[in-house]
Amino acid sequence: QKEVEQNSGPLSVPEGAIASLNCTYSDRGSQSFFWYRQYSGKSPELIMFIYSNGDKEDGRFTAQLNKASQYVSLLIRDSQPSDSATYLCAVKGSGGSYIPTFGRGTSLIVHP
Amino acid sequence: DTEVTQTPKHLVMGMTNKKSLKCEQHMGHRAMYWYKQKAKKPPELMFVYSYEKLSINESVPSRFSPECPNSSLLNLHLHALQPEDSALYLCASSQGPGQGTYEQYFGPGTRLTVT
Repeated sequence: QKEVEQNSGPLSVPEGAIASLNCTYSDRGSQSFFWYRQYSGKSPELIMFIYSNGDKEDGRFTAQLNKASQYVSLLIRDSQPSDSATYLCAVKGSGGSYIPTFGRGTSLIVHP
Repeated sequence: DTEVTQTPKHLVMGMTNKKSLKCEQHMGHRAMYWYKQKAKKPPELMFVYSYEKLSINESVPSRFSPECPNSSLLNLHLHALQPEDSALYLCASSQGPGQGTYEQYFGPGTRLTVT
């Protein structure tokens, strides 16, 4: 059973701070990692994906992947109240399946 | 363009009704998905079509019937639903097996209420 674990939160950070969201996965051979943002009542929106060890930056977002430790994280710099949402981690495992497994999501609250 | 469209946005139906949800994408993706999502839960996979063929049915009750008329369209036919089927129904698409990367793009969803 491939598992993707996230702390459900809520994670509360002040405006302007760095929010750090973490995700661990059980399938050591996992190949692709995705972060989605979901506002309440809306659909998930892809914000980052990463395939290689290390960091990938896109604007205020940085995804960090450590395959040896089997975790992927998402950093949000200069957090804004508009970043308040649930962040879903999804992992495509090893083998032939192209379908990712979703974590339960972490609720982020950015307070002014 | 990374847009997936879904209609209708909202649907209220009785337990004896028949209705359909529609999804469309023009990204050339060959994998399309139906998910069900309840409040404060992650999306729950229902069906997967790969190259217009049903490849995964996650033991979904037969009152849900998927259809993939062509590579851009995906339908979900609903019949004799139960109140517990009320949820947000999400369509997604991605590149299919052998196409490369597999990030999924979601449509805006259909909010379904069964009365």
